[in-house]
Amino acid sequence: EAGVAQSPRYKIIEKRQSVAFWCNPISGHATLYWYQQILGQGPKLLIQFQNNGVVDDSQLPKDRFSAERLKGVDSTLKIQPAKLEDSAVYLCASSRNPFEPGELFFGEGSRLTVL
Amino acid sequence: GDSVTQMEGPVTLSEEAFLTINCTYTATGYPSLFWYVQYPGEGLQLLLKATKADDKGSNKGFEATYRKETTSFHLEKGSVQVSDSAVYFCAHIFTSGTYKYIFGTGTRLKVLA
Repeated sequence: EAGVAQSPRYKIIEKRQSVAFWCNPISGHATLYWYQQILGQGPKLLIQFQNNGVVDDSQLPKDRFSAERLKGVDSTLKIQPAKLEDSAVYLCASSRNPFEPGELFFGEGSRLTVL
Repeated sequence: GDSVTQMEGPVTLSEEAFLTINCTYTATGYPSLFWYVQYPGEGLQLLLKATKADDKGSNKGFEATYRKETTSFHLEKGSVQVSDSAVYFCAHIFTSGTYKYIFGTGTRLKVLA
């Protein structure tokens, strides 16, 4: 089966600009996650979707970050305006069922550099 | 709150050396425990897992045992290869409605030929 697809792989922007990342999860996976991975740290959950509904966005900086998962399939994460501290790798992951302690399947990530 | 602590890297070993990467956790109850690996240029992928106390997860020569008494899940391999060079993440899962993962900071392993 095809894995989790993310784009773009790399993005360089200046502070106060905007950026959007796209993710297409594994077919049939109901749950989609966006993680932020700052250099030297572990992935931190930003938002979790179950189908097209938000399950957890408690750590999403809502003044600048937004995410949507229309139709319960692919998802877009947007940052506007970007800050220097947003430089990180943005990981998308999916899983079959959020009510079972199963495996997360990750994409290769989108590396953002904010200058 | 729930957390995962793993040893800092980088860890540099010669090929065929023994590997241990320490991981301890704090959690309410008895979470499932995981090791994920991230090879250069790739996404994280599951290496092994254990779902209850005293379970041993194993894969690709790696092993880790769920130790409830010490709240640990140390990763071991008897003889590392250059191809094992990667970043290793310990994680546990907890429930808050749905299952959520907490990841450690990752340990970079470099194996020299």
